Amino acid sequence: DIQMTQSPSLLSASVGDRVTLNCKASQNIYKNLAWYQQKLGEAPKLLIYNANSLQTGIPSRFSGSGSGTDFTLTISSLQPEDVATYFCQQYYSGSTFGAGTKLELK
Amino acid sequence: QIQLVQSGPELKKPGESVKISCKASGYTFTDYAMHWVKQAPGKGLKWMGWINTYTGKPTYADDFKGRFVFSLEASASTANLQISNLKNEDTATYFCARSSLIAAFAYWGQGTLVTVSS
Repeated sequence: DIQMTQSPSLLSASVGDRVTLNCKASQNIYKNLAWYQQKLGEAPKLLIYNANSLQTGIPSRFSGSGSGTDFTLTISSLQPEDVATYFCQQYYSGSTFGAGTKLELK
Repeated sequence: QIQLVQSGPELKKPGESVKISCKASGYTFTDYAMHWVKQAPGKGLKWMGWINTYTGKPTYADDFKGRFVFSLEASASTANLQISNLKNEDTATYFCARSSLIAAFAYWGQGTLVTVSS
């Protein structure tokens, strides 16, 4: 099974900061990676698919990069509404989610 | 618009069974796979598996083989998840989610909370 490891597990940042979240796969998953945002009590929302494609309707301050085993989600200028937990997901072989990064305001 | 609407919360006792439904609208049901995802309270997301809505064939992740059954009512554009012999550790919110083959989950149901308690 493919394992997904996210870091950090908790991130504190200020409004306007550039924020970087990391995700590492236990084996090559090419670009079969997605990022989701989940707010308390809500379903996850797809932000990025195929490692770097922005889902329709998602603000352009969100971007994804990487391929193979190492991936990054970047928020170029953090907004208060971005406080949430972020999950990465591989869908190369079945599917696996990372444990999540909780993003809070400093 | 595309929607996945799940059935309401359930309170069950250990050993009982539960069936959760996920009704799709706004697209051709059999054109997309349906996945099930578990989220225990305060925890992360765990993929349970998926069902091919065209053939009806289910595929279960390793941790969800045995007590878990995915099924369809294709005429009603509905996917179902049945869990038998419920255990306390089955307490969770269960989500359905739609995808193309080898693709991310662009649409999600609102989640169904199942609470297992004696």
